[in-house]
Amino acid sequence: ETGVTQSPTHLIKTRGQQVTLRCSSQSGHNTVSWYQQALGQGPQFIFQYYREEENGRGNFPPRFSGLQFPNYSSELNVNALELDDSALYLCASSLDPDRGYGYTFGSGTRLTVV
Amino acid sequence: SQKIEQNSEALNIQEGKTATLTCNYTNYSPAYLQWYRQDPGRGPVFLLLIRENEKEKRKERLKVTFDTTLKQSLFHITASQPADSATYLCAPRGSSNTGKLIFGQGTTLQVKP
Repeated sequence: ETGVTQSPTHLIKTRGQQVTLRCSSQSGHNTVSWYQQALGQGPQFIFQYYREEENGRGNFPPRFSGLQFPNYSSELNVNALELDDSALYLCASSLDPDRGYGYTFGSGTRLTVV
Repeated sequence: SQKIEQNSEALNIQEGKTATLTCNYTNYSPAYLQWYRQDPGRGPVFLLLIRENEKEKRKERLKVTFDTTLKQSLFHITASQPADSATYLCAPRGSSNTGKLIFGQGTTLQVKP
């Protein structure tokens, strides 16, 4: 098992720009979730994909969008970046969360918006 | 709205003692609750899951309880070690059917030698 890998590890963008973050799920996991974690806070749910379809979304504006590919890898896209988007973005995959399997998290992408 | 509360203040204990962390939730009834450990600069690591029909779950030095009447979960680490120092996150399943997790803000545990 290779676990969940995210790229890049760090990124600096300018306000108003667009960014794409990437995630490779753990082998065999067909569910992927994305979370935003501000310093000192718990992860906040952005959205989840199951077999390439979005099946849950948190309280994030439409400029946060995503994709899941047939190989279950995933992307998070953020348009029109704002300073408050600066955070650690975490990708997590699971075999079957509805049956209570835990999520495997990546180490995250640290995004800084200046 | 669904709310998760964990001790916001750091917990400092002596090596060998039992650490007890609290997680309270309001306004819904999760089917299960998960606990994660997070080290600085890393993603959370899954520790334990407890279902609503289970009172207690154990794994090595870890024990989790789930009281659906009090809407509370307790997380215990017995015989604590300095290597247990980390932030511990409580994550009840969300109320929708997607299996998404709602995380608390975490409690930082510091075990002193």
